[in-house]
Amino acid sequence: NAGVTQTPKFQVLKTGQSMTLQCAQDMNHNSMYWYRQDPGMGLRLIYYSASEGTTDKGEVPNGYNVSRLNKREFSLRLESAAPSQTSVYFCATKGTGTNTGELFFGEGSRLTVL
Amino acid sequence: RKEVEQDPGPFNVPEGATVAFNCTYSNSASQSFFWYRQDCRKEPKLLMSVYSSGNEDGRFTAQLNRASQYISLLIRDSKLSDSATYLCVVNPVYNFNKFYFGSGTKLNVKP
Repeated sequence: NAGVTQTPKFQVLKTGQSMTLQCAQDMNHNSMYWYRQDPGMGLRLIYYSASEGTTDKGEVPNGYNVSRLNKREFSLRLESAAPSQTSVYFCATKGTGTNTGELFFGEGSRLTVL
Repeated sequence: RKEVEQDPGPFNVPEGATVAFNCTYSNSASQSFFWYRQDCRKEPKLLMSVYSSGNEDGRFTAQLNRASQYISLLIRDSKLSDSATYLCVVNPVYNFNKFYFGSGTKLNVKP
């Protein structure tokens, strides 16, 4: 039972390159999220998906696109990476039932854009 | 103005000490409140939810003050293993899918 799995864990890109961060969950949760974490800034919501087939912008969506491929998978794409997108990216799901409101995070993806 | 604000610390305390953190939130319509713990270079994990009546889990006590719009976390008898960053999280009533994170308060417990 892996919970929330993110790939890759580390990536170095050059400015202008594109890449996709993958997230998969085996918790059968409906809501999934992508956050970025920068020093002194806390976690900021990029995009979220309340259910399969829906996505919504968060606080900092510019420069990113997402796909909710199915209930399990939610990917984040950087079309043309910029140094300002150097960050740690976390995927999360929101619990249901007795865990309602709790967010379950993946281990994070550390991205450096040169 | 940030949705959630926390003192970044660090709070440096000896083992066995009692330490308290506060967190203020700007939206009075906020509905749910949480404390998360984040170890260095790890993902955040839920420490405890914060209920209107306050709640306690072992050495940890969380309180909510809606009138002043802040929540608090009290840690008694600090352990070395409590060293981490503590994140305050708020969930607004107008969108139960959005969670706003404070930037975190760093705690260092020294021997």
